[in-house]
Amino acid sequence: DAEITQSPRHKITETGRQVTLACHQTWNHNNMFWYRQDLGHGLRLIHYSYGVQDTNKGEVSDGYSVSRSNTEDLPLTLESAASSQTSVYFCASSEASGLDTQYFGPGTRLTVL
Amino acid sequence: DQQVKQNSPSLSVQEGRISILNCDYTNSMFDYFLWYKKYPAEGPTFLISISSIKDKNEDGRFTVFLNKSAKHLSLHIVPSQPGDSAVYFCAASALLAGANSKLTFGKGITLSVRP
Repeated sequence: DAEITQSPRHKITETGRQVTLACHQTWNHNNMFWYRQDLGHGLRLIHYSYGVQDTNKGEVSDGYSVSRSNTEDLPLTLESAASSQTSVYFCASSEASGLDTQYFGPGTRLTVL
Repeated sequence: DQQVKQNSPSLSVQEGRISILNCDYTNSMFDYFLWYKKYPAEGPTFLISISSIKDKNEDGRFTVFLNKSAKHLSLHIVPSQPGDSAVYFCAASALLAGANSKLTFGKGITLSVRP
């Protein structure tokens, strides 16, 4: 069955370190998204991609970057982790049509000490 | 400035009764609305959606109502079951404006259904 996976599921890192969160989908979806979920803020969009080599900034993109070298993967990199980036991160994907729903991965809980 | 608002952070209802979850939006470009359900330690899952050309969409126990003039939508769950206890996110998209699946989410409402 097609699915979307995230790794690692849990990560503890130190301030200033570079961290990469992986997202892999086997739906063959063109669209991929990264969100963070924080208490009192709901789900906020970090970056998104509409296809290979396409990346776009979301509402909370500062301190994060993504790259899309193939259809299946959209890794999220924190260049220099900060305590404010402690959060739960969700990856999602959808087909090209706007009416298609987004399918979410199980999430990565990141703690920055 | 939050464009999708879920002003009540939590709701508690008795099993078998109706649950009504509310959502307001401010962006008049939004034309497609969705509800997602999220259990602890899992990713959100799609529940139901509605296009702005409709004012109601029903799927089993779940019905979403849209009032465009009031920029308000609501999710009705009848009858509520303990397994419905979860966080519910309202989301909106501006498809005609070219948003292409990009969603704006509210903060979520925690629903507790008491046995």
